[in-house]
Amino acid sequence: AQRVTQPEKLLSVFKGAPVELKCNYSYSGSPELFWYVQYSRQRLQLLLRHISRESIKGFTADLNKGETSFHLKKPFAQEEDSAMYYCALRGGSEKLVFGKGTKLTVNP
Amino acid sequence: DTEVTQTPKHLVMGMTNKKSLKCEQHMGHRAMYWYKQKAKKPPELMFVYSYEKLSINESVPSRFSPECPNSSLLNLHLHALQPEDSALYLCASRAGAYNSPLHFGNGTRLTVT
Repeated sequence: AQRVTQPEKLLSVFKGAPVELKCNYSYSGSPELFWYVQYSRQRLQLLLRHISRESIKGFTADLNKGETSFHLKKPFAQEEDSAMYYCALRGGSEKLVFGKGTKLTVNP
Repeated sequence: DTEVTQTPKHLVMGMTNKKSLKCEQHMGHRAMYWYKQKAKKPPELMFVYSYEKLSINESVPSRFSPECPNSSLLNLHLHALQPEDSALYLCASRAGAYNSPLHFGNGTRLTVT
């Protein structure tokens, strides 16, 4: 079975502070992992995927198979980063499963 | 065209009505999805079509009936819905390559009265 856990429902930081959104997964095979972001009144959009190992909007995420984690990090948070963030997993089929999401608020 | 387009944006229907949601993409993607999203909750998978064939049905009640007329179009036919079916219905598409992401539409906000 595929399962994604995002332990923090809400996360609040100040502008310029580092931010880390946690994601742990459960899947016995090789997972495909993604981070999606949903800004207020906008469509759900891809932020990062584990295979690309790129930085988007200053965010990075590293797949740690030993800890079964795919945490999202940014060294200096900006107010425009305030949004809902979902970690998602696909394991061997077309099914993409989302975690419950973390609402990030970046305060001025 | 790199977008998934959903119509209508909003829909209000009574419990005895029949209506349809429409989704369109012209990116050549071969997998198309319907998700349901309640307020402040993550998207929940309903159906997946792969190469125009239904490949996943997440035990969705029969009052929701998906249809994939061709590789660019996906419909969701609605009949005899309940008020608890009110939600944002999201369509998504995906190319077939490994680790290719889902591209989501803006959704249809459905209210069942």
